[in-house]
Amino acid sequence: EVQLVESGGGLVQPGGSLRLSCADSGFTFSSYSMDWVRQAPGKGLEWVSYISSDSSTIYYADSVKGRFTISRDNAKNSLYLQMNSLTDEDTAVYYCARENHGRYDYWGQGTLVTVSS
Amino acid sequence: EIVMTQSPATLSVSPGERATLSCRASQSVSSKIAWYQQKPGQAPRLLIYGASTRATGIPARFSGSGSGTEFTLTISSLQSEDFAVYYCQQYNNWPPPYTFGQGTKLEIK
Repeated sequence: EVQLVESGGGLVQPGGSLRLSCADSGFTFSSYSMDWVRQAPGKGLEWVSYISSDSSTIYYADSVKGRFTISRDNAKNSLYLQMNSLTDEDTAVYYCARENHGRYDYWGQGTLVTVSS
Repeated sequence: EIVMTQSPATLSVSPGERATLSCRASQSVSSKIAWYQQKPGQAPRLLIYGASTRATGIPARFSGSGSGTEFTLTISSLQSEDFAVYYCQQYNNWPPPYTFGQGTKLEIK
């Protein structure tokens, strides 16, 4: 059974940092590109970042470029998102999602990041 | 960036009736569109990809159609568990972003 489990969310002050993790199981993690998608409270889905299966290709949404860093450890079947210089606009549930030829066929349960003083 | 526009924002339908949700792309995305269902407090779930292919385990009452810029998700006979928010997403352009529509809330009439 495919499982994606996020962790690392929480309350952080503006300007602070947080590192999200996504532990994956039930599939060959190293064969898939992975993405982070977020959802602000009461809002729609917003793509955040993409990483290819071998980490050679990475993309970011303009809204997080220069502040967020996506990475992965295929030996540990894990995906990460380092978030720096956080603002209240980054408050959202962050989902990791397995990308399968462009579509997201499996999602984690999400982890809530709240940026507030 | 390709903009995806869903209509209507809210759709009120009675159980057992048919629901038709629309999604329009600002430019052609071929058939590279997916539909997701999201219930409160849950992650999105993939329903349809390639505009018309049902994902694993998705009931036959869900169907998708369209190509180019106009797409439709149809739920043939609404069940109580189908009332949720539905999102379309295009994955035609490279590199990302793979943009989402703003969602259609399907509510009980």
